[in-house]
Amino acid sequence: KAGVTQTPRYLIKTRGQQVTLSCSPISGHRSVSWYQQTPGQGLQFLFEYFSETQRNKGNFPGRFSGRQFSNSRSEMNVSTLELGDSALYLCASSQGTSSYEQFFGPGTRLTVL
Amino acid sequence: AQKITQTQPGMFVQEKEAVTLDCTYDTSDPSYGLFWYKQPSSGEMIFLIYQGSYDQQNATEGRYSLNFQKARKSANLVISASQLGDSAMYFCAMRGAGANSKLTFGKGITLSVRP
Repeated sequence: KAGVTQTPRYLIKTRGQQVTLSCSPISGHRSVSWYQQTPGQGLQFLFEYFSETQRNKGNFPGRFSGRQFSNSRSEMNVSTLELGDSALYLCASSQGTSSYEQFFGPGTRLTVL
Repeated sequence: AQKITQTQPGMFVQEKEAVTLDCTYDTSDPSYGLFWYKQPSSGEMIFLIYQGSYDQQNATEGRYSLNFQKARKSANLVISASQLGDSAMYFCAMRGAGANSKLTFGKGITLSVRP
């Protein structure tokens, strides 16, 4: 069974631009979560989608948004990029919410110049 | 609110020896899951082991075991027979229900295995 895939793996943008990251979960998994990892803040939860509905949202500004499609694939978008958005963005999928373990993709490393 | 605490500084262990990585947690949820992940320098988070709050026995997965002490709210990871490839960052995390269904991570512990 294929794992979680994320595209692109690396991305360089400039301040003010917007970016869209993509995540394809493990086949059969309906829950997709996104996390931001930075050296200073560690791993922080962005949002979780289950069956195309946002189930949970972290404390990030409205510039961060996401969606999930009927095939469970998910995208997250960051508008008006800031230098502080430079981070590793990790996507995780699981069969459901709560007690199910989450399996992570390789991440997208975003650099904002 | 959920909280995970990992306070150990960088850990060093000799190859083939066992090592324990500490984790304490706090939550008001009666039902929750505890997880350990490994993150090598490549960045990918690798799932290692899971312990449910109602599980009576400690979880084991190969060389990994979780020492779950519910009353103390601790969930320490034990790695037996360390290998050079175990050198990585290790994160303890928990997941509850409802609004707490997101994974809450600790700050992580760096483990270095010496030959």
